Amino acid sequence: DAGVTQSPTHLIKTRGQQVTLRCSPKSGHDTVSWYQQALGQGPQFIFQYYEEEERQRGNFPDRFSGHQFPNYSSELNVNALLLGDSALYLCASSWSEGAPGNTIYFGEGSWLTVV
Amino acid sequence: AQKVTQAQTEISVVEKEDVTLDCVYETRDTTYYLFWYKQPPSGELVFLIRRNSFDEQNEISGRYSWNFQKSTSSFNFTITASQVVDSAVYFCALSEGDNYGQNFVFGPGTRLSVLP
Repeated sequence: DAGVTQSPTHLIKTRGQQVTLRCSPKSGHDTVSWYQQALGQGPQFIFQYYEEEERQRGNFPDRFSGHQFPNYSSELNVNALLLGDSALYLCASSWSEGAPGNTIYFGEGSWLTVV
Repeated sequence: AQKVTQAQTEISVVEKEDVTLDCVYETRDTTYYLFWYKQPPSGELVFLIRRNSFDEQNEISGRYSWNFQKSTSSFNFTITASQVVDSAVYFCALSEGDNYGQNFVFGPGTRLSVLP
């Protein structure tokens, strides 16, 4: 049973560029959330996708956008990269049945460095 | 607003010692969910436990135990007879009950180092 998988694992981008990160949820899960974790801090909620729509959003600018596909996989896009966007980006998946309070399961993350 | 505090930034213990990681939360909801996750150097957050606000029973799982006290808004985590493999960053997280979006709020984490 595959867990949450993310790609790429590491990447380096230049300020002003755009980046796309990808996530495949755990088998049987239909909901995908994205979190940003800066060095030495806890994860911060970016947004969540369910039924191919953004269901909830944290306090992040519009430069952060996403998409969910019919197979429940998801992408996170960040435009006009800033140095402060350097972080570990974590994808988490869960099953909508029985929510709220369902456990979310995380991937290993994508380490983004902006130079 | 919801908030999670983990006052201990770093803890170092010697193998076989017991260690307790503190977590204090704030929420206005009467229904909420508390979680603990472990983050090894690989980066993946590993789920350890989930507790809802109506269940104040303490739980033990092997060397791990959790003490949930609503009166003090705390959900502390104890590792008994610590091992080197327990070295990681541990996060406490809160999800509010009406939150079908499951927006988890995480604490800043406690880095545990278990020395041989």
